[in-house]
Amino acid sequence: GQQLNQSPQSMFIQEGEDVSMNCTSSSIFNTWLWYKQDPGEGPVLLIALYKAGELTSNGRLTAQFGITRKDSFLNISASIPSDVGIYFCAGQLGGSQGNLIFGKGTKLSVKP
Amino acid sequence: DTGVSQDPRHKITKRGQNVTFRCDPISEHNRLYWYRQTLGQGPEFLTYFQNEAQLEKSRLLSDRFSAERPKGSFSTLEIQRTEQGDSAMYLCASSGGPSSYNEQFFGPGTRLTVL
Repeated sequence: GQQLNQSPQSMFIQEGEDVSMNCTSSSIFNTWLWYKQDPGEGPVLLIALYKAGELTSNGRLTAQFGITRKDSFLNISASIPSDVGIYFCAGQLGGSQGNLIFGKGTKLSVKP
Repeated sequence: DTGVSQDPRHKITKRGQNVTFRCDPISEHNRLYWYRQTLGQGPEFLTYFQNEAQLEKSRLLSDRFSAERPKGSFSTLEIQRTEQGDSAMYLCASSGGPSSYNEQFFGPGTRLTVL
């Protein structure tokens, strides 16, 4: 089946540092979404991207839809302890009924 | 709270028993999705409804699984003759509101443990 390659698998950074993670695929997607999930909870939508090249921000978060439509990245600036969690990218294939294909997640840990 | 809600949050059952989960989507959303998530993995698509019509099923949805959305509002997911491999978090999401385009909003999930 379709897969998204998300990297890095985990990150352990100092508070205040910037963070970058990305997703790549061999398939073309028409939508990219980024979610954050805390333990025992459902994913929370952070940013949605709909056009190739689109750059969208949500507070300290910035995400881009790759020009080739096969990749996306998420940046977090000036990380804080509450940024801890697992970040997932999710893509929607063109012509699909809307089901999302998820990466395996990037686990973010922050030192205070 | 106007978000997606799921019930129960946790379910422990013995192998071979049947279980049923409920999802209440955001009220104006006409699309509803079920996903399954195992430890260390991202959610995997199971099935999708537009209003009351079930439009797509994943190959992950074996014949022991059945989902319904009888009135186009809440949905139920039933697993018959549960197996230990069914242990997972079952997530529901909804989309389709006037301003949310393809954005899917998830509920808190139902954690199933099959003993």
